Amino acid sequence: GAGVSQSPSNKVTEKGKDVELRCDPISGHTALYWYRQRLGQGLEFLIYFQGNSAPDKSGLPSDRFSAERTGESVSTLTIQRTQQEDSAVYLCASSYLPRDQPQHFGDGTRLSIL
Amino acid sequence: GENVEQHPSTLSVQEGDSAVIKCTYSDSASNYFPWYKQELGKRPQLIIDIRSNVGEKKDQRIAVTLNKTAKHFSLHITETQPEDSAVYFCAAPIIQGAQKLVFGQGTRLTINP
Repeated sequence: GAGVSQSPSNKVTEKGKDVELRCDPISGHTALYWYRQRLGQGLEFLIYFQGNSAPDKSGLPSDRFSAERTGESVSTLTIQRTQQEDSAVYLCASSYLPRDQPQHFGDGTRLSIL
Repeated sequence: GENVEQHPSTLSVQEGDSAVIKCTYSDSASNYFPWYKQELGKRPQLIIDIRSNVGEKKDQRIAVTLNKTAKHFSLHITETQPEDSAVYFCAAPIIQGAQKLVFGQGTRLTINP
């Protein structure tokens, strides 16, 4: 079956612009995560959705970052007024259950802020 | 909150030797421990996982051991090959509160020919 799909695969934009990143999880997966990975660094947790529960936003680095998910479907991560330090790969992952099932990652969106 | 500590951050071994990466976790109720491999420019991919009802699991050259008393688990790679060079991440779940999977900081493994 289809894996986690992310779009766009690459995004280049000017500082100060808003960007929207999309994640299509595996069908039936209730949990969805967003991570940021800077070059050569680890997985920085951003936000986590579980079913219809309130999302865990504890990893969002500033109020310029927000994310939405409707039910158990597509999620979008929005970065407003982008800064150069936002340049990174943004990875989405989904799992059938949140804590004791493997996460399946998408290929990520490589975001470059000029 | 939950901490997952991973060591070492970098590891270099000769081809054919073994590599061991260790992770410790803080939530004693954690019951699932996956390991991911991330090759350069690629997404993290699950390579092996273990649940708390067993102490060891093997898959060809890869094994994971779990010590629930000490709250640590380790990845063992035997007979290392150049294609094992990658970044490896461990993870453990938070059972209380948010109930999510938390990742370690990663280990960059280099296999020297």
